[in-house]
Amino acid sequence: QLQLQESGPGLVKASETLSLTCTVFGGSISSSSYNWGWIRQPPGKGLEWIGHGYNGGSTYYNPSLKSRVTISVDTSKKQFSLKLSSVTAADTAVYYCARGGRASGGLDYWGQGTLVTVSS
Amino acid sequence: QSALTQPASVSGSPGQSITISCTGTSSDVGAYNYVCWYQQHPGKAPKLLIFEINYRPSGVSNRFSGSKSGNTASLTISGLQAEDEADYYCSSYTSSNSWVFGGGTKVTVL
Repeated sequence: QLQLQESGPGLVKASETLSLTCTVFGGSISSSSYNWGWIRQPPGKGLEWIGHGYNGGSTYYNPSLKSRVTISVDTSKKQFSLKLSSVTAADTAVYYCARGGRASGGLDYWGQGTLVTVSS
Repeated sequence: QSALTQPASVSGSPGQSITISCTGTSSDVGAYNYVCWYQQHPGKAPKLLIFEINYRPSGVSNRFSGSKSGNTASLTISGLQAEDEADYYCSSYTSSNSWVFGGGTKVTVL
């Protein structure tokens, strides 16, 4: 059974860079049939797609976040990462990592989520 | 990109059927068959219910079904059960090679 687990600081200072890692257990991260992405949810609000990456290096981002986001996939460590620069209080959210199907687009496996708070 | 439009809340009695709408544009919902639906219980990660408009992943109850007409997709829950009380989100692929979620719908079982 595939499992995903987010890790990283729960508190980030405003203007700094948020960095999170998602580790994949119980399966391969090398298949080109899947993408590895990030979704966030501000407290009490809805979901926002951040972006995803593929094993081969291709990445796709939310246009509204594109200038601040970097997603990378490391197959040797079975991990993928998120970097979000120049954070503000509006970036405070629960951040989820998830696996998506290249063909279907559906996000079928999710991490449990990690709360990141941006402090001033 | 703007979020897809969903009703804030929908309610129904046990055993009834309810439908949640998800309205987008000709650049997302109307342009592609890549519409998904997710269920989220409080404090939990979302769960994929439907992909490609009307396909269910293995293990998802056939009480959940999806459809699309023009720029609007819909999720129908038949035989409503207490465990269906949750937040529901639609999502769609877009012409910007990205994905967009709806604002979410809270389903209440009366």
